[in-house]
Amino acid sequence: EVQLVESGGGLVQSGRSLRLSCTASGFTFTDYPMTWFRQAPGKGLEWVGLIRIRAYGGTTEFATSVKGRFTISRDDSKSIAYLQMNSLKIEDTAVYYCARDPAGWHSVWGQGTLVTVSS
Amino acid sequence: AIQMTQSPSSLSTSVGDRVTITCRASQGVLNHLGWFQQKPGKAPKLLIYAASTLQSGVPSRVSGSGSGTDFTLTISGLQAEDFATYYCLQDYSYPWTFGQGTKVEIK
Repeated sequence: EVQLVESGGGLVQSGRSLRLSCTASGFTFTDYPMTWFRQAPGKGLEWVGLIRIRAYGGTTEFATSVKGRFTISRDDSKSIAYLQMNSLKIEDTAVYYCARDPAGWHSVWGQGTLVTVSS
Repeated sequence: AIQMTQSPSSLSTSVGDRVTITCRASQGVLNHLGWFQQKPGKAPKLLIYAASTLQSGVPSRVSGSGSGTDFTLTISGLQAEDFATYYCLQDYSYPWTFGQGTKVEIK
């Protein structure tokens, strides 16, 4: 079964760091870029960023709201994508989702993990 | 950034009705447009990709159309399970951007 499972969410103080993991199973992880999204409580969806596959340099793209604070990496040997979140702000409070081919034929989304940033 | 303007923000309708939701992009996105359904506490579910292609497993009462800047999601013969929030997403250029969402409620 093709599956993505996010983990690592929790309560963190403003200014601190947190790393989320997205563990993939059931497909060839190295074939797909991996994308992160988030959704603040009661709000709409927001694209956070993505990481390309190794054949495209494993490069990343980010939303303006997180650029310079968040990084994305991948461990192809473990089929895990990471979202490293530094200098967290209260407005980063959200459910974070990872996805494979989010708006395409091979679309798969994880169930999400909640990050709460407190003052 | 490309702005996606989605309308209406909410609508009340009945089982069996036809629903139309629109998304307008601030600049052309070709057909790089997806439509998602989201229910409370759940991850988004892709309904339509490439503006008009029905995702596998999605009922045929759901359809999408448009290209360039104007897009439409139509659900014909609304069923109870269709009451949810719907979003469009352009993945034509970075940053990818969503519409604000349309909440479809039972009248």
